[in-house]
Amino acid sequence: QSALTQPASVSGSPGQSITISCTGTSSDVGGYNYVSWYQQHPGKAPKLMIYDVSNRPSGVSNRFSGSKSGNTASLTISGLQAEDEADYYCSSYRSSSTYVFGTGTKVTVL
Amino acid sequence: EVQLVESGGGLVKPGGSLRLSCAASGFTFSNAWMSWVRQAPGKGLEWVGRIRSKADGGTTDYAAPVKGRFTISRDDSKTTLFLQMDSLETEDTAVYFCTAGFGIPAPGTNWGQGTLVTVSS
Repeated sequence: QSALTQPASVSGSPGQSITISCTGTSSDVGGYNYVSWYQQHPGKAPKLMIYDVSNRPSGVSNRFSGSKSGNTASLTISGLQAEDEADYYCSSYRSSSTYVFGTGTKVTVL
Repeated sequence: EVQLVESGGGLVKPGGSLRLSCAASGFTFSNAWMSWVRQAPGKGLEWVGRIRSKADGGTTDYAAPVKGRFTISRDDSKTTLFLQMDSLETEDTAVYFCTAGFGIPAPGTNWGQGTLVTVSS
């Protein structure tokens, strides 16, 4: 089962906005509005940041936003802060009642 | 507060078996859909499988690489999730996370800290 495609790394300066893409197929990202995004700091468990393409769980900063167009989903972090430096993974529901994760993106705050 | 605590990880030889447990607290365990996600050392996340609540049938789904070798089960009376892993391969070496879902169609809303499984001769 092939993973969703994400850029290996994205960087930005404090205060800037960055966008991470997540490309799949019509069998996952393009076929369902069940894309989620996770943040993972080194040695820690992942944390849910976005679900259902663009919804934020309670307690997640509104600097994080999600969107989708066709087979590609995106996570945008606005007003970049040092604490945002982490790995980010997208995930999508895939046909046959399974889930697939993206390859992961390392975000660096310059 | 939702708490998920995994245990049972360790070193096992290829072809061997291991059973992981995940003790849950802080929420109504019987209503939650529970999943396992793994992460090989230095690699990305990989969905392993999930089990629905008994009210929703208690059925399971698995990722292709583990289907037929891994079995997810739950004991609602003990609020514990299990992952029985058989015919282990070196590629199964990873940290295994237990996750809880609360009506959100995602691999997990809340996550445990994980337990390391190493498959090596």
